[in-house]
Amino acid sequence: EPEVTQTPSHQVTQMGQEVILRCVPISNHLYFYWYRQILGQKVEFLVSFYNNEISEKSEIFDDQFSVERPDGSNFTLKIRSTKLEDSAMYFCASSGQWNTEAFFGQGTRLTVV
Amino acid sequence: AQTVTQSQPEMSVQEAETVTLSCTYDTSESDYYLFWYKQPPSRQMILVIRQEAYKQQNATENRFSVNFQKAAKSFSLKISDSQLGDAAMYFCAYIGGANSKLTFGKGITLSVRP
Repeated sequence: EPEVTQTPSHQVTQMGQEVILRCVPISNHLYFYWYRQILGQKVEFLVSFYNNEISEKSEIFDDQFSVERPDGSNFTLKIRSTKLEDSAMYFCASSGQWNTEAFFGQGTRLTVV
Repeated sequence: AQTVTQSQPEMSVQEAETVTLSCTYDTSESDYYLFWYKQPPSRQMILVIRQEAYKQQNATENRFSVNFQKAAKSFSLKISDSQLGDAAMYFCAYIGGANSKLTFGKGITLSVRP
């Protein structure tokens, strides 16, 4: 069964460093998303991406964040200068149609020290 | 703005029994989807069941079923014959209208007693 794949599963980084979280969405999907979940809290939307551009972004997704689809398979989230409060589980998701269910990757646990 | 409310933070069920998890939502849209996602200790988000708002029939997936009350904006999940592997956090989620994002509730932690 096709699945969304994320790497790495866990990343530890120093405050102020740049990190890139990688995702391979399901191959025939067209809509891509990043969500995050701070430990013990709800899942929060960051950004949606379609047709090589951002469709929607939340207030969390400020200038420190960017997304890219560098080739036909990868979808990345970059955090330019990490802060302690960026520590969270980051989920990539994809869907095949507009406004239907999203299928999630296993997540990347980001720890900023 | 759409909101999803899960007011019960925790529930417990005896193995083989039935449990119902509650969810309410608020929207002005007429066309939308509702979902239940399961998050086990591994923290992966697993889709359990989906419901299209235009369908009157409640969705069912094996031991999982929903009670969708559109007028009351209620969307509860019933788990029958509970198993130890059902122990997890369960999130109710909504998507609809012009939004491209899922809106999640705060989640409920379900424990299953052997």
